[in-house]
Amino acid sequence: GQQVMQIPQYQHVQEGEDFTTYCNSSTTLSNIQWYKQRPGGHPVFLIQLVKSGEVKKQKRLTFQFGEAKKNSSLHITATQTTDVGTYFCAGYNFNKFYFGSGTKLNVKP
Amino acid sequence: GAGVSQSPRYKVAKRGQDVALRCDPISGHVSLFWYQQALGQGPEFLTYFQNEAQLDKSGLPSDRFFAERPEGSVSTLKIQRTQQEDSAVYLCASSLNRVSYEQYFGPGTRLTVT
Repeated sequence: GQQVMQIPQYQHVQEGEDFTTYCNSSTTLSNIQWYKQRPGGHPVFLIQLVKSGEVKKQKRLTFQFGEAKKNSSLHITATQTTDVGTYFCAGYNFNKFYFGSGTKLNVKP
Repeated sequence: GAGVSQSPRYKVAKRGQDVALRCDPISGHVSLFWYQQALGQGPEFLTYFQNEAQLDKSGLPSDRFFAERPEGSVSTLKIQRTQQEDSAVYLCASSLNRVSYEQYFGPGTRLTVT
């Protein structure tokens, strides 16, 4: 069945370092969304990518959708302690979203 | 405005008991999803409603799980004869209309089956 794999599982960085998380789908996706979940909280929508090769930026965050619409990445430049949390990708196909297992980001001040 | 609310926030059930989890989506949101999130994992799709119609229930793990949204707003996820493997956080999310729009998640219900 459809799967969305996400790596790495954990990432520990020093404040100011960059961070990247990657998602790969076993099949072509209609679109992909990214969410952030703080410890003890619920997922909060960050962005949606729809077009092949699409790149979107939100301040220090850069999101990419692969040409084949099977992979995506989230890159954070110069991490801050407020970036701490788990980042999930969610690929959409046929009325449902397939979430990756998430990348847990820890930022040391 | 008000976000998605869920109740109860925490539920402890003895194995074999039935439970009912409630979701109040954002007013006017057409699409509603239920997810199950195990510790350290991503949300796993259970079922999807568009208004009152349940368009996809392929993620429900067994026939002990049942969801409804009779008037197209509030939804209830019912689990009969709970088992220990049902212990998880159950998340509800709503989106404005088309299913591919951004989802707004509720705080979840943490179910513990003892």
